[in-house]
Amino acid sequence: QLQLQESGPRLVKASETLTLTCTVSGGSVTSSTYYWAWIRQPPGKGLEWIGSVFYSGSGYYNPSLRSRVTMSVDTSNNQFSLKLISVTAADTAVYFCARQSWFWFFDLWGRGTLVNVSS
Amino acid sequence: QSALTQPASVSGSPGQSITISCTGTTSDVGGYNYVSWYQQHAGKAPKLMIYDVSDRPSGISNRFSGSKSGNTASLTISGLQGEDEADYYCSSYTSSSTLVFGGGTKVTVL
Repeated sequence: QLQLQESGPRLVKASETLTLTCTVSGGSVTSSTYYWAWIRQPPGKGLEWIGSVFYSGSGYYNPSLRSRVTMSVDTSNNQFSLKLISVTAADTAVYFCARQSWFWFFDLWGRGTLVNVSS
Repeated sequence: QSALTQPASVSGSPGQSITISCTGTTSDVGGYNYVSWYQQHAGKAPKLMIYDVSDRPSGISNRFSGSKSGNTASLTISGLQGEDEADYYCSSYTSSSTLVFGGGTKVTVL
């Protein structure tokens, strides 16, 4: 049973870089049939797709975040990661990692991790 | 890209059927059959309920069904049960090779 687990700091200072890692267990991040995605949810608000990355490193990003986002895959550790630069309070959210099919749906999700941006 | 439009809330009595709409444009919902629906209970991760407009993943009750007409997709929950009380989100692939979510609908079982 494939599982996803987010990890990273719970608190980030404004203007700094948010870095999160998602560890994939029970399966391989090098699967040729899936992308790996990040989705976030500000407290009390809806879901926002951040971006999706293939194990080769190619990916797609939300246009509203593209200039600040980098996503990558670490095949040796079976992980993928998210870097978001120049964070503000608006980036405070629960961040989910997820497995994405070629047909743009998310069939497996991590439990999510709340990241607070402090001023 | 703009979020897909969903009603903020929908309610129904146990046993009834309810339908949640998800309206987009020809550049997303209307242009592709890559619409999916997610159920999210409070404090939990979303759960895939419907993909490719109307397909159900293994293990999802057939009380949940999806459809699409033009630029509007719909999720119908039949035989409403207390456990169905949750937030529901639609999502769609877009012509820009991105993905957009709806704003979410809170379902209340009366």
